[in-house]
Amino acid sequence: DAGVIQSPRHEVTEMGQEVTLRCKPISGHDYLFWYRQTMMRGLELLIYFNNNVPIDDSGMPEDRFSAKMPNASFSTLKIQPSEPRDSAVYFCASSLRVGVNQPQHFGDGTRLSIL
Amino acid sequence: DQQVKQNSPSLSVQEGRISILNCDYTNSMFDYFLWYKKYPAEGPTFLISISSIKDKNEDGRFTVFLNKSAKHLSLHIVPSQPGDSAVYFCAANNAGNMLTFGGGTRLMVKP
Repeated sequence: DAGVIQSPRHEVTEMGQEVTLRCKPISGHDYLFWYRQTMMRGLELLIYFNNNVPIDDSGMPEDRFSAKMPNASFSTLKIQPSEPRDSAVYFCASSLRVGVNQPQHFGDGTRLSIL
Repeated sequence: DQQVKQNSPSLSVQEGRISILNCDYTNSMFDYFLWYKKYPAEGPTFLISISSIKDKNEDGRFTVFLNKSAKHLSLHIVPSQPGDSAVYFCAANNAGNMLTFGGGTRLMVKP
């Protein structure tokens, strides 16, 4: 049974370029979450979707960040233009529902380096 | 404003002994808590959870204790095994279905 799949695993690009991170959630999961992990701030939630609809994007750092979920099996997180301070590991997670017995399942992350 | 804190960045334990990982929180509205384990270059993996209406939940070698009056939870691993060496994150959920994570504790279990 495939887990959450993220691509690419690593991305190195120059500042000012557009970056697109991709996520395929576990089939049948209604919730999708995007997280960012940095040394300074740890693991923080950026945005989450329920049934492809963005529910809370209060964690998105600024307008340069945007996320979409065009269908139940695909989501993107886009940064345009990228800056060196965006360098981090970005995780996608999905869950069937939300609740104490409905844990989020994480992908292996995309390590992003902005030069 | 860190609502979930793991004050020990690392912990070293001998194989076979008990590992105790601690987590403190400030928001009394959190309704459940989770522990995740993370290996390098992988995403966090769910370990165990506990509702705020309980004070203990056990799953095999893993037990989570919740002390609401102290706003403290702990994860006990017994007996500890070398394969348990990883970074452990506690997380708390608010009514908005958003998890807040602690900074993590690196556990090293020595053979």
